[in-house]
Amino acid sequence: SQQGEEDPQALSIQEGENATMNCSYKTSINNLQWYRQNSGRGLVHLILIRSNEREKHSGRLRVTLDTSKKSSSLLITASRAADTASYFCASYGTASKLTFGTGTRLQVTL
Amino acid sequence: NAGVMQNPRHLVRRRGQEARLRCSPMKGHSHVYWYRQLPEEGLKFMVYLQKENIIDESGMPKERFSAEFPKEGPSILRIQQVVRGDSAAYFCASSPGTGGSFEQFFGPGTRLTVL
Repeated sequence: SQQGEEDPQALSIQEGENATMNCSYKTSINNLQWYRQNSGRGLVHLILIRSNEREKHSGRLRVTLDTSKKSSSLLITASRAADTASYFCASYGTASKLTFGTGTRLQVTL
Repeated sequence: NAGVMQNPRHLVRRRGQEARLRCSPMKGHSHVYWYRQLPEEGLKFMVYLQKENIIDESGMPKERFSAEFPKEGPSILRIQQVVRGDSAAYFCASSPGTGGSFEQFFGPGTRLTVL
């Protein structure tokens, strides 16, 4: 069954603003990963954060992980129109498989 | 190093036909995963294979679906007697190993439409 829940389901912001997406998961994890999917396309891996890490940065991306609350957030700073996509979190537990969240559809307008 | 390859990219089948989806992992990767994505939803795990072995098929429907990853050649996801509910995007991913440090690299997906 699908474990992850993401909110918001949809987010619309203007270019230059920051976008924050949240993700919750249900079981113990080894790591948590964030992916981007452009409409009708495959997934692009954005960032991986291990269970013993609390925060990680990659370019304009900042990911936090709170294992006590079983939640993670993805922050995209200074958003661009090209950031328009769906964003998914995926938890990696002991079963060697990724469990994906329901996704956040981000729309960045000019 | 080419990425994960999937073919065909689009597949149209009539109800009752068979669908065969192929996945070639990245060079050096011996772990393959199949996921299914229904419209407007996230991906759901189907099966995890290593060469010649099914490691975890807990996400596979009990009937009509099968997967293999032979010693030589691509991994195959086979759907027999397709129904309209099988219409979805099927993604394959590969990794060089298993465990918390290995990223899964995704292919572009095969979009199956059942008429």
